[in-house]
Formats: sequence, structure tokens, C-alpha cells
Amino acid sequence: IVMTQSPATLSVSPGERATLSCRASQSVSINLAWYQQKPGQAPRLLIYGASTRATGIPARFSGSGSGTEFSLSISSLQSEDFAVYYCQQYNNWPLTFGGGTKVEIK
Amino acid sequence: EVQVVESGGGLVQPGGSLRLSCAASGFTFGNSAMSWVRQTPGKGLEWVSTISPAGGNTFYADSVKGRCTISRDNSQNTLYLQMNSLRADDTAVYYCAKIHFENNKYYHFVYWGQGTLVTVSS
Repeated sequence: IVMTQSPATLSVSPGERATLSCRASQSVSINLAWYQQKPGQAPRLLIYGASTRATGIPARFSGSGSGTEFSLSISSLQSEDFAVYYCQQYNNWPLTFGGGTKVEIK
Repeated sequence: EVQVVESGGGLVQPGGSLRLSCAASGFTFGNSAMSWVRQTPGKGLEWVSTISPAGGNTFYADSVKGRCTISRDNSQNTLYLQMNSLRADDTAVYYCAKIHFENNKYYHFVYWGQGTLVTVSS
């Protein structure tokens, strides 16, 4: 299953809302996760089951969608949120990731 | 505190071998499914392999099948990846990760290590 993320880069001002998209080449139901990765760090789990926040993840992060269309929203961007975000499906083997969306400061 | 620490990366010539290790603590390793995921600048994140808690079931990406073997030692809380016949396109940071496992199904990656760099070059 090919995961396609858009846009590749998103320029947002601090305090603004950001919405990232992830599309699957076939249905993955809600078997989708989102990760955040900062430079020099490992990815960190944000969302699983398409919309469930992982432990310790702030409420400003929310996920939605099912089937082939998913989105990750960050309601009010903080300085620590500027990073690369990846989606990943676990509905079928092989497990696959999207190419990532870089959220940068506008 | 959960800790996942990879080791064993380095520079290896094409056709060579390398064994990666991952030492885990802070969670019940023997009850946990584990995975290797790699990352290259050009290809992003790529799942490599997964092993069930007891080690009886293993899964591989087509890109490494037949060349890599995942294994574990639950008495030592350690995960391994034996990599043979290495190619230039195996060059990547290799992450060890705990994958959520429930009712015989594999889900998302819960904890990640900091990764170990494997460079395949002559």
C-alpha cells in the first residue's frame, strides 16, 4: 500500500492551524498512525487508530479519517511543533510510511 | 523509563555482513513484538522486519528478504538484525522499535531507539 502525504512542505506561522494530509492507495480502515520527527531524533508516535492520541501528546494534535483519506491537524502551532510528520499504515504487510510533510516556520 | 538502544552500525564494504543489536529496558521485552525500521535521506522511513514476542513469527520487507535475519534473546532483553550481502542501498539509519501487538495483530510503533548508522561503501 502506497502512502502519499501532502503537501511536502507546509509553511505556517506560530499560533496558526496546520492541516496535513495522507492518502492510502487502498483502504486501510483506521489502521493508521502519525509520527513526529525532529532533526537528529527518532520518530515519536503521535496518533494511532487514525484518531487516538498517544500517551502524553497534547490535545492540540488531532487525527481524523478512514479508508483512504486521513488528516492530522495541529490547532495552534507551538515552536516545538516545527518538524517532519509521517503517516504509516498497519492494515497490511508490508507496513508502509508516507514520504513526510515538513512543517516549517513561515 | 523506557530505553531502546541500538548498536553495531558502521562502515562495511558491499557484499559484507553486519549484526545490529538493540538493548531494551523499561517494559516487558518478552511480551513485546519488536521491529527494525530504517531511514535514508532519499527514501524516508522504511519498515525492515518484525518479530513476534516469542520469536516464532518473523516478517521481512521484500528489499531485505533472504539477506537479513531478525532474532531475539528474551533472557537478555535484546533484539538483533543479522544483515548479509549488504548493498549500497542498505545505507541508512536503522531504528529498533517496539511495535504494538494485540490479538495476533501488529499495529503502530510505540517506542523508538535513537538509531545506528549503517554505511555500505567501498
